[in-house]
Amino acid sequence: AQSVTQPDIHITVSEGASLELRCNYSYGATPYLFWYVQSPGQGLQLLLKYFSGDTLVQGIKGFEAEFKRSQSSFNLRKPSVHWSDAAEYFCAVRSNTGKLIFGQGTTLQVKP
Amino acid sequence: GAVVSQHPSWVICKSGTSVKIECRSLDFQATTMFWYRQFPKQSLMLMATSNEGSKATYEQGVEKDKFLINHASLTLSTLTVTSAHPEDSSFYICSASEGAGNQPQHFGDGTRLSIL
Repeated sequence: AQSVTQPDIHITVSEGASLELRCNYSYGATPYLFWYVQSPGQGLQLLLKYFSGDTLVQGIKGFEAEFKRSQSSFNLRKPSVHWSDAAEYFCAVRSNTGKLIFGQGTTLQVKP
Repeated sequence: GAVVSQHPSWVICKSGTSVKIECRSLDFQATTMFWYRQFPKQSLMLMATSNEGSKATYEQGVEKDKFLINHASLTLSTLTVTSAHPEDSSFYICSASEGAGNQPQHFGDGTRLSIL
């Protein structure tokens, strides 16, 4: 069965520090992978996506993610976190029926 | 580009009332729209998938007579919560996709529904 796991429910980093949010997926074929960010009371904003090609994808707001097939991972990174990055982050894989399967989400808290 | 507008953003109503939520794609044609429900501190739960001009496909456990979905045009889908009760209180989010293949879903800002 297709699934997405975000092992970290909550992460706290200091402003200016680097960030890595983990995402592992289970999918038989080549996955379509996404990272979304959700601010409180808001919808989801697409940060980046991977379909094929270069395994390191660049997104908005200085985020990037690396697809590693051997590890079934698609971790999100940012070299220097800003206080405005505090939010909920969701990793998702697109199923073969077109639906998005979301991970449980990771809450990012940024310390001043 | 790829803006999805959801309205209203917040609604409070009495138990037994029916509530309609609109989801519009403003600058693209949405072949497929999705409706999600999100409980506090939880991930999104897909309720149904709708394609323009056809009946919505509901996920297991979602009452189609309670949550009526209409996708009458390529830019508009509506979710009507019929005879709403306090347990229907939640955050409802729609998304829209331009089609199959590698088109991402673009999300609205959600509707906070509170049933008294």
